This record gives sequence, structure tokens and C-alpha cells, in this order.
Amino acid sequence: DIQMTQSPSSLSASVGDRVTITCRASQSISNYVNWYQQKPGQAPKALIYAASSLQSGVPSRFSGSGSGADFTLTISSLQPEDFATYYCQQSYAALTFGGGTKVEIK
Amino acid sequence: QLVQSGAEVKKPGASVKVSCKTSGDTFKNYYVHWVRQAPGQGLEWMGIINPRDGSSSYSQKLRGRVTMTRDTSTSTVYMELSSLKFEDTAIYYCARAVGLDGGNCYTFGCWFDPWGQGTLVTVSS
Repeated sequence: DIQMTQSPSSLSASVGDRVTITCRASQSISNYVNWYQQKPGQAPKALIYAASSLQSGVPSRFSGSGSGADFTLTISSLQPEDFATYYCQQSYAALTFGGGTKVEIK
Repeated sequence: QLVQSGAEVKKPGASVKVSCKTSGDTFKNYYVHWVRQAPGQGLEWMGIINPRDGSSSYSQKLRGRVTMTRDTSTSTVYMELSSLKFEDTAIYYCARAVGLDGGNCYTFGCWFDPWGQGTLVTVSS
């Protein structure tokens, strides 16, 4: 299976900060990466698909980039509602998720 | 919308069956996947079912213990896990697979939207 390694596993940030989360695949996967946000007690919610396409209804402060094996999720200006755990997921071969990045309030 | 059944408590060695009621559109036009999340842990893909013909495919880890089925009369899909172990304690989610064009998608190039609300399965003696 393709392994997805997210970093950092957690981070502390303040409202208004720019936040970057990375995901590295164990092999090249073109742009077949999706990003999800999960808040406590809720199901994951899709944010970004195909590495850089914003899901309908998701604020434009979220963006994704990358191709091959290295991918990034960026929140341009962190808002109070963005404190959550973020997961990457590859759909190139079988389906696997990264270990998650918890974004906490500083 | 995907609406799942309620929480379950089971003993080791028992089986559990979780339901996921879909909309008619999802049932007729999309594949449904199951993903689980152990307490405080990440997400693990379990398998996929085609609601139209009932065909399914499972993760290598769970093959032999998991079965996915569907009921066409109620547009509901089911996930049954047998020979439960303590480490099967998790929240189980169903999710619709969407392709890059918004249409149906099996696994390649798929993303998940929407997700069910989740069903907590606790394995305890």
C-alpha cells in the first residue's frame, strides 16, 4: 500500500496565522490527493480534491498544491472555526490516509 | 445524505452489522465506501460496495471478516464485521465516492463526499 506521511502531527497557531500542512507519499501519485477536515465528534468533511481543487462551499482561504509525491494544504489566514484535525488521502492505488495533523489554538 | 444506525456494544468474537441509508440518487449512481477510525487514531479504509449489483471489494487487512451488502427496497447499504476483537472498537463511517467530474467513482481518483455521521462500535467483555 502507498503510505501517506503527514507533518507535523500537531501544531499550535493563532487566529490570522498562515498554516501549512504537508503530506508525502511513499511513491509518485500524480495529483491524486484529497484533503479533509475533521472536528471533534464529527465526520470528516472534504476540503480539497485532486490536490488543488476546492470543494464547493469551502472558504477560499483553504488551498492545496503539489504533485508527484509531495503535497501541501495551506490555510492563508486561520479562523476560529478552522481548529480541527486535517487528513490527506491518496486515491492513486487503493485508498490510504495520512495520520492527521491537529491544529490547536496557541 | 447518508444516515447510519446507532451505537453498538458487542463482546469479543461476536458480529456487528451497521447500516447506512442512502438517497435514491446515491444508491442508483454512486459507489459507497466504509472507513473506520479507532479512538484518537486516524482513518482506515475498509472496503467498497456497488449498491446496484451488490458487488464489493475489501481491504486485505479485513478480508474474511467484513461483508458489505445492500437492500434495494430501502436504498440501504450494510457493513458486517465478524469475529470482533477489542481493536475493532472504532467509529465506522460510510461515505459516497465522487470522481473528479462529480460523477461516480470506484477507487481511482475518488474523494469522499458526503460522509455518514458515524457509528460507534465498542468491543468489550
